[in-house]
Amino acid sequence: EVQLVESGGGLVKPGGSLRLSCAASGFTFSSYSMNWVRQAPGKGLEWVSSISSSSSYIYYADSVKGRFTISRDNAKNSLYLQMNSLRAEDTAVYYCARGDWPADYWGQGTLVTVSS
Amino acid sequence: QPVLTQPPSASASLGASVTLTCTLSSGYSNYKVDWYQQRPGKGPRFVMRVGTGGIVGSKGDGIPDRFSVLGSGLNRYLTIKNIQEEDESDYHCGADHGSGSNFVVVFGGGTKLTVL
Repeated sequence: EVQLVESGGGLVKPGGSLRLSCAASGFTFSSYSMNWVRQAPGKGLEWVSSISSSSSYIYYADSVKGRFTISRDNAKNSLYLQMNSLRAEDTAVYYCARGDWPADYWGQGTLVTVSS
Repeated sequence: QPVLTQPPSASASLGASVTLTCTLSSGYSNYKVDWYQQRPGKGPRFVMRVGTGGIVGSKGDGIPDRFSVLGSGLNRYLTIKNIQEEDESDYHCGADHGSGSNFVVVFGGGTKLTVL
């Protein structure tokens, strides 16, 4: 069974940093592109970043470019999102999702709240 | 990049049928769109991909035969027949666009389906 479990969310002050993790199981992690997608409270989905299976290709939404860094460790079956210079508008549930679009499996999400 | 437009809400009675619409912006009539179901408090679940020729690839895991898609012009439709209580969800459409430094994934605002 494919499982994606996000962790690392929490309350952080504006300008602060946070590192999200996504633990993958039930499939050959190193064979799949992975993604981060977020959802602000009561809003729709917003793509954040994607990384190819070998980390050769990395893409970011303009809204996070230069502040967020996506990475992965195929030996640990894990995906990461380093978030720096956080803003109030980054407040959202962050989902990791598998696939080179469409994203065929998603986690349950981890909530990031940016507030003073 | 394309813009995806969805009506914010829809409703249907138990056992009836409903068709949800995702409309691509002008000039993107050849684009495929992905449908995702999001039950309250849960992560999104891939339903299926649709192009002008209908379904592209396979349905997501566990998606019942009651769900079908159609594509025409700029519109991508998701039809649910014999609606059940568990179908009450937010339905999001998404599309990937471009390559290299221009790669983005865009989503519509989502449609909240209420089962009466």
